[in-house]
Amino acid sequence: GEDVEQSLFLSVREGDSSVINCTYTDSSSTYLYWYKQEPGAGLQLLTYIFSNMDMKQDQRLTVLLNKKDKHLSLRIADTQTGDSAIYFCAERAGRRALTFGSGTRLQVQP
Amino acid sequence: EAQVTQNPRYLITVTGKKLTVTCSQNMNHEYMSWYRQDPGLGLRQIYYSMNVEVTDKGDVPEGYKVSRKEKRNFPLILESPSPNQTSLYFCASSLSRPRQAGNQPQHFGDGTRLSIL
Repeated sequence: GEDVEQSLFLSVREGDSSVINCTYTDSSSTYLYWYKQEPGAGLQLLTYIFSNMDMKQDQRLTVLLNKKDKHLSLRIADTQTGDSAIYFCAERAGRRALTFGSGTRLQVQP
Repeated sequence: EAQVTQNPRYLITVTGKKLTVTCSQNMNHEYMSWYRQDPGLGLRQIYYSMNVEVTDKGDVPEGYKVSRKEKRNFPLILESPSPNQTSLYFCASSLSRPRQAGNQPQHFGDGTRLSIL
């Protein structure tokens, strides 16, 4: 079946860039998403990319998609303490519901 | 304010005692779904609904029921809860079903933490 994998934990210093990586197995994925979950809250959509794109930039966020390797990354420039959260990668193909990764906990140290 | 509201936020109960977690959205969304979040497993879909009176199983439906009598409400029912249903549950909604609107975000509730003893 479909599978989405992420590393569990990333720690960076405030002001540095963070790069969170994700791999997926379904080559028919049409949309790929990044969600942010802060403690005690639901998931907030950060950004998404359509599978025919290889890059999308939105302020401090840059999404890179390597469709050949089925690899998605989220880069956060100038990481702030408020960026500390769990980040979920998710993919969707056709009518199927979202398949989520297990989440990457980003810790930003002052 | 556009939102998805779940109740209760926290519940501790005992095995076998029926419970319902309510979910309500005020955005006139067609598509609603329930997920459970467990450590190391991410979010797994339990049930989803494409519109009123249309529901279908997700990846982990066993032990759960849902109903969609009105567009705004999508309650999750545990008829006979068991300890393996201890989890964090999220309700989500989006304007249209995935095939028609892959770029439309799902709006998530703040979660319901269930502990079944």
